[in-house]
Amino acid sequence: DVVLTQSPLSLPVTLGQPASISCRSSQSLVHSDGKTYLNWFHQRPGQPPRRLIYRVSKRDSGVPDRFSGSGSGTDFTLKISRVEAEDVGIYYCMQGTYWPPMTFGQGTRLEIK
Amino acid sequence: QVQLRESGPGLVKPSETLSLICTVSGGSVTNASYYWSWVRQTPNKRLEWIGFVYYNRSTKYNPSLKSRVTISVDTSKNHFSLKVISVTAADTAMYYCTRNDVSWGQGTLVTVSS
Repeated sequence: DVVLTQSPLSLPVTLGQPASISCRSSQSLVHSDGKTYLNWFHQRPGQPPRRLIYRVSKRDSGVPDRFSGSGSGTDFTLKISRVEAEDVGIYYCMQGTYWPPMTFGQGTRLEIK
Repeated sequence: QVQLRESGPGLVKPSETLSLICTVSGGSVTNASYYWSWVRQTPNKRLEWIGFVYYNRSTKYNPSLKSRVTISVDTSKNHFSLKVISVTAADTAMYYCTRNDVSWGQGTLVTVSS
């Protein structure tokens, strides 16, 4: 199975400041079709996960443009340009290149300082 | 807009079978554009992909669960289901159904305990 390792696991951030989460894969996530199937999810307390980013950098409908994804191969990053109160929760990366199974990172908990 | 809702027993005894249904509204399980998945979240918040079913009833499962899991679709009722046999405490989790990992149900908590 592909192992995704996120860092940090806990991320205290001041409102209005940027935040960055890393996701490293145990192997390159470039598919044989040339695409990279790395997604990012956000889960607020008591809610299901919500997909924010798919294929590394494409924002899902309705996702604010303060969220951006980047990276290639085995190293990926989710950035929030200016953290807002509604951004608290757990962020997960997930790979869909090598399946079954699709696998998730262990999660990064973002909190407001 | 599609909505998904999980239903099933919240408590299952060890060694018995966990059975959940995901009812789909605002969309059809026969739509070839989508796959219908189950994902669970353990008490320590880890997410685990269980598997999915396509509109044509083909399935893919997590190899770690494959021997115990069945996912099926009922087009007449517009829902899909999950069965996990021989459950243990390790199967205690919040179970979510999703469409293409974009639309999610609210989840249903299943506890395995005698």
